Amino acid sequence: DTEVTQTPKHLVMGMTNKKSLKCEQHMGHRAMYWYKQKAKKPPELMFVYSYEKLSINESVPSRFSPECPNSSLLNLHLHALQPEDSALYLCASSRGGGRGREGEQFFGPGTRLTVL
Amino acid sequence: KQEVTQIPAALSVPEGENLVLNCSFTDSAIYNLQWFRQDPGKGLTSLLLIQSSQREQTSGRLNASLDKSSGRSTLYIAASQPGDSATYLCAVSSGYSTLTFGKGTMLLVSP
Repeated sequence: DTEVTQTPKHLVMGMTNKKSLKCEQHMGHRAMYWYKQKAKKPPELMFVYSYEKLSINESVPSRFSPECPNSSLLNLHLHALQPEDSALYLCASSRGGGRGREGEQFFGPGTRLTVL
Repeated sequence: KQEVTQIPAALSVPEGENLVLNCSFTDSAIYNLQWFRQDPGKGLTSLLLIQSSQREQTSGRLNASLDKSSGRSTLYIAASQPGDSATYLCAVSSGYSTLTFGKGTMLLVSP
């Protein structure tokens, strides 16, 4: 199983709502990632969890709050978002984070988020 | 800071043509280079991973090469098909858990 799953596929929320994005993988990977992708742009790294600990936070606003409940699950909690936060949110995982196959990243299908 | 450039930004070819997509990077001290495919509104599909010690990787009609010293990689697609139409992204890993992406090449293969 080389699949990363994400739910929901689409999400529309108001600026005062609280919602969560979910990501799951069953490949035994120990590193998981959140990326944000705007239209016609490459993905931008937001957070990295390594062995269930937050290892990289790319200066993301506090209205985005990541959580890694266990080695297979990654959540992104959303609160008080702005319309400019509308984007495709991608989750990825890798065996580890180093060289070679350890660092190969596998991506989920994404959640299309619209903030009204 | 690593920078990744992909040329061309867009490419339109008739079905059956062989084609080459180019990727260049500024810092040759890399861990890996990955080529991805992305269909509109979808996630990224990993096509090929080239480790820093390797020169090329092949998967079916795809062949990717890596010249670390010159900071270049190419993705060769043989006998292109309409189903190959997508955006192709090159990404370089220069450190633990980090990928730097190029802006992609949008490929259109017409029947």
